[in-house]
Amino acid sequence: EAQVTQNPRYLITVTGKKLTVTCSQNMNHEYMSWYRQDPGLGLRQIYYSMNVEVTDKGDVPEGYKVSRKEKRNFPLILESPSPNQTSLYFCASSRSGGGYVTQYFGPGTRLTVL
Amino acid sequence: QKEVEQDPGPLSVPEGAIVSLNCTYSNSAFQYFMWYRQYSRKGPELLMYTYSSGNKEDGRFTAQVDKSSKYISLFIRDSQPSDSATYLCAMRGGTSGSRLTFGEGTQLTVNP
Repeated sequence: EAQVTQNPRYLITVTGKKLTVTCSQNMNHEYMSWYRQDPGLGLRQIYYSMNVEVTDKGDVPEGYKVSRKEKRNFPLILESPSPNQTSLYFCASSRSGGGYVTQYFGPGTRLTVL
Repeated sequence: QKEVEQDPGPLSVPEGAIVSLNCTYSNSAFQYFMWYRQYSRKGPELLMYTYSSGNKEDGRFTAQVDKSSKYISLFIRDSQPSDSATYLCAMRGGTSGSRLTFGEGTQLTVNP
């Protein structure tokens, strides 16, 4: 089954404790992206990757890091989480052709930073 | 001001009603216009998309784009309880590269 998986699905942590949210896709997609979803603000892009070892900032990259060492994986790293990073996070992937319109989203990770 | 504006609702309709969902935008360079559907506790999934202006129909769903007014719409005919979800418009084009710009989403409930 074609899918994007994220782990963990739920996470409660404390300010300053480094964490990583994993994302993996099995569709051989070149393009991967991280979004956060907040009430009143909708989905906003954090970082994206056009291919292995190629990453770039989205709209709200502050406080986040990413890496793309393998085509299927695109982890999101919060080195020193703060309460304003409490949000619902989605990883997405798509093939590079077709205008990037068909993005496949993971099930989401709900993060709470105390 | 947001690049894409979408009324968050909530919108509640009886089963069988025609639903109209809308977004306005300010970036005239947008060329791809998408509608994503998001069920509760799930990730968004693409419902349909339109390139440039015009209409596109897929079963009970019709997407319309009016670039002159910077206005897009999604119509749902004969709405069903299974259509209850949040509908997000998304757009890309111009200098945005691969980035999609999403609206806030409209929460729709179809009552049996």
